[in-house]
Amino acid sequence: AQSVTQLDSQVPVFEEAPVELRCNYSSSVSVYLFWYVQYPNQGLQLLLKYLSGSTLVKGINGFEAEFNKSQTSFHLRKPSVHISDTAEYFCAVSESGGGADGLTFGKGTHLIIQP
Amino acid sequence: NAGVTQTPKFQVLKTGQSMTLQCAQDMNHNSMYWYRQDPGMGLRLIYYSASEGTTDKGEVPNGYNVSRLNKREFSLRLESAAPSQTSVYFCASSEGGRQTQYFGPGTRLLVL
Repeated sequence: AQSVTQLDSQVPVFEEAPVELRCNYSSSVSVYLFWYVQYPNQGLQLLLKYLSGSTLVKGINGFEAEFNKSQTSFHLRKPSVHISDTAEYFCAVSESGGGADGLTFGKGTHLIIQP
Repeated sequence: NAGVTQTPKFQVLKTGQSMTLQCAQDMNHNSMYWYRQDPGMGLRLIYYSASEGTTDKGEVPNGYNVSRLNKREFSLRLESAAPSQTSVYFCASSEGGRQTQYFGPGTRLLVL
């Protein structure tokens, strides 16, 4: 069975500074990887996903993530954050070649943007 | 095109009461899911339906039942609510089992 670890429960960062949110996964098979964002009192919205091909994936709102198979990581980055990026970010994994249906989520990272 | 809709948005129950959470999607997706979200726990899968007429247990199915009424609708039922079921419940849908999931706005449930 797969699992996802988001190493930081909270990340405070100043506005216009760069940010990296870390995600590591474990799985015995090939995986698809996702980052979702949840703004306060809302549902989850897809930021970006890796299914295959280029390991650098670009998403919405200026975010990007890099799939590193050897390190089993899928860290999320943004070069310059804005106050509106304050939200909860979830990394998720699914097995691409079989196994149980559905996504396995990490516990989330709360990104706090300080003015 | 509403995407995934959930009703109700909020609900307060007393211990032992029953209720059904409704979910509908208009994207013609095959797969539908129910998750619960608790502080510091992320989202945990309760039940899912890979196609109309099928349902399967997820990580935390105890105390819940589901019905895939048709391709559009997937309901979650609490037969006898317990305080441990206080949570935010999200419904999601996807074209296939391991593809992008689209989420509804959630139902906040408080069990007293």
